[in-house]
Amino acid sequence: GAGVSQTPSNKVTEKGKYVELRCDPISGHTALYWYRQSLGQGPEFLIYFQGTGAADDSGLPNDRFFAVRPEGSVSTLKIQRTERGDSAVYLCASRPNTGELFFGEGSRLTVL
Amino acid sequence: TQLLEQSPQFLSIQEGENLTVYCNSSSVFSSLQWYRQEPGEGPVLLVTVVTGGEVKKLKRLTFQFGDARKDSSLHITAAQPGDTGLYLCAGARGTYKYIFGTGTRLKVLA
Repeated sequence: GAGVSQTPSNKVTEKGKYVELRCDPISGHTALYWYRQSLGQGPEFLIYFQGTGAADDSGLPNDRFFAVRPEGSVSTLKIQRTERGDSAVYLCASRPNTGELFFGEGSRLTVL
Repeated sequence: TQLLEQSPQFLSIQEGENLTVYCNSSSVFSSLQWYRQEPGEGPVLLVTVVTGGEVKKLKRLTFQFGDARKDSSLHITAAQPGDTGLYLCAGARGTYKYIFGTGTRLKVLA
């Protein structure tokens, strides 16, 4: 597709369950970012990849959160033992060499 | 921890009025970007400023990067309802780690 694609667009789960969120970046973009956004607030940095490796994962809140990008394209954000406080919109962005971030529409996660 | 504080947090104005949004930090950034986000969508880039003191104009929007590269402002002249949205500044730490500000929600009334 032409833009960054994120699936699912909405995910409702129960406390304690495991969740995977997928991001398909723009073809050719080597950098990929994950952010978390609560209602009305700015996106909170989680992690970014340069190619297959995590260049900076300092924003991951704890060890329940993990992200992979095994082939340098699609990325998956994995959340174990979900908690109600994990409820938010998870945004993915990819970046070409120009420095501009291109965002997807986000995956809205609700933990009941 | 939000390193970039934006003010005001909310702004509701009448069409035709001018406004300024501020983005402040105690940290130095290598570059700073401004984005606009509409409900249900991801942020979209408006501008990137790189040099201290730099001023860029985009139609009715004027962006300025502080001399010390710690702060920035966005000025909108003659606001229109189409300017309504969440405005976000984002500073680059190191090479390409972008930290977003707290956001300013603007509503322009017709």
